[in-house]
Amino acid sequence: SQKIEQNSEALNIQEGKTATLTCNYTNYSPAYLQWYRQDPGRGPVFLLLIRENEKEKRKERLKVTFDTTLKQSLFHITASQPADSATYLCALASGGYQKVTFGIGTKLQVIP
Amino acid sequence: DTAVSQTPKYLVTQMGNDKSIKCEQNLGHDTMYWYKQDSKKFLKIMFSYNNKELIINETVPNRFSPKSPDKAHLNLHINSLELGDSAVYFCASSQPLARHNEQFFGPGTRLTVL
Repeated sequence: SQKIEQNSEALNIQEGKTATLTCNYTNYSPAYLQWYRQDPGRGPVFLLLIRENEKEKRKERLKVTFDTTLKQSLFHITASQPADSATYLCALASGGYQKVTFGIGTKLQVIP
Repeated sequence: DTAVSQTPKYLVTQMGNDKSIKCEQNLGHDTMYWYKQDSKKFLKIMFSYNNKELIINETVPNRFSPKSPDKAHLNLHINSLELGDSAVYFCASSQPLARHNEQFFGPGTRLTVL
């Protein structure tokens, strides 16, 4: 069955450092992969999308890589700030009207 | 202007009761969803409607019945509530054929069944 794995344990890093979150998947051939941010008591908010034929995407301090051979995506936040503290979810979809499947998320804590 | 709104935000009820959650989106999207996020924070899709037609129906008990009166609204009715139904329910909308198919989520409804 399809499986998406994210490190469900919290990731603590020092302010100013680069945070790297991992999303691995099995039994899936996604057309694209998305990353979302979720703050406590709120719904997830879309951050970035990367397609199967793309290796890397950037948006301001965010960078996403996608390796379909390793079946892995890495999500980087450079020059991290305490305001970046949140849970980050990866999500995969086959495209069109197919469902989007979410990972359990990784909680990031940026320490001042 | 709230893009995706849900009511109520909190719902506390007894086992066996029937309750409804309402959702509205003003983004002009064709597709709407219900997700359940359990105590372990796992976000799982329940239903998806495209232009009032049911297109995704995951393995959800028959006690859950979605209704879409128009493409801007998707309500969720739950019969005979059970303890295990306690969770946060998120409504979302998207335009699946758009470039990013990003899901826009509502603020969530925290359901507690006593």
